[in-house]
Amino acid sequence: DTGVSQDPRHKITKRGQNVTFRCDPISEHNRLYWYRQTLGQGPEFLTYFQNEAQLEKSRLLSDRFSAERPKGSFSTLEIQRTEQGDSAMYLCASSSQTDSNTDTQYFGPGTRLTVL
Amino acid sequence: AQSVTQLGSHVSVSEGALVLLRCNYSSSVPPYLFWYVQYPNQGLQLLLKYTSAATLVKGINGFEAEFKKSETSFHLTKPSAHMSDAAEYFCAVSVFGNEKLTFGTGTRLTIIP
Repeated sequence: DTGVSQDPRHKITKRGQNVTFRCDPISEHNRLYWYRQTLGQGPEFLTYFQNEAQLEKSRLLSDRFSAERPKGSFSTLEIQRTEQGDSAMYLCASSSQTDSNTDTQYFGPGTRLTVL
Repeated sequence: AQSVTQLGSHVSVSEGALVLLRCNYSSSVPPYLFWYVQYPNQGLQLLLKYTSAATLVKGINGFEAEFKKSETSFHLTKPSAHMSDAAEYFCAVSVFGNEKLTFGTGTRLTIIP
């Protein structure tokens, strides 16, 4: 396994611009999760996919946020009209539904977003 | 809904001393519990997990945690701290059928030489 990868690792943008992040899960993991982590806090759940289906979205995910997972492989998270409050680390995790025990989520290194 | 409380946002211990990081959970159904570690500017790495099997769970890097239902606790321990243990530690909970993780606010562990 090469692990979960995320791109870019860092993004600096101006308020009002759109940004898109990419996550590549561990191969053959059918579940993919997005979390947001602000300074001094634990990660907060945003949304998750099983294969290409988006099964749950947090109320934290405003209309400006959209996530996709076409073909059930990589996923993208887009933020439109960014605001300074969007500055955070965006973490992606993946897991396999076939585990006999509860899924273990494996995290990527994160994308740090700074909105100026 | 489930939740996690981590007591102590900062913990300092001397190298070689016992590490104890506290986690209490709230869940209306049997929980799954996790400890993750995060090093600066990195993602989270799983230390150990409890999934209703043995109540004493051993993880990586010499860490272990004990699930105590009566106390709704899942404290993380390590007998002898090492400098490389300095990091942020997060306790998390999920339940079967709702696999999103709910994290605590984290505990920053500092090791004193």
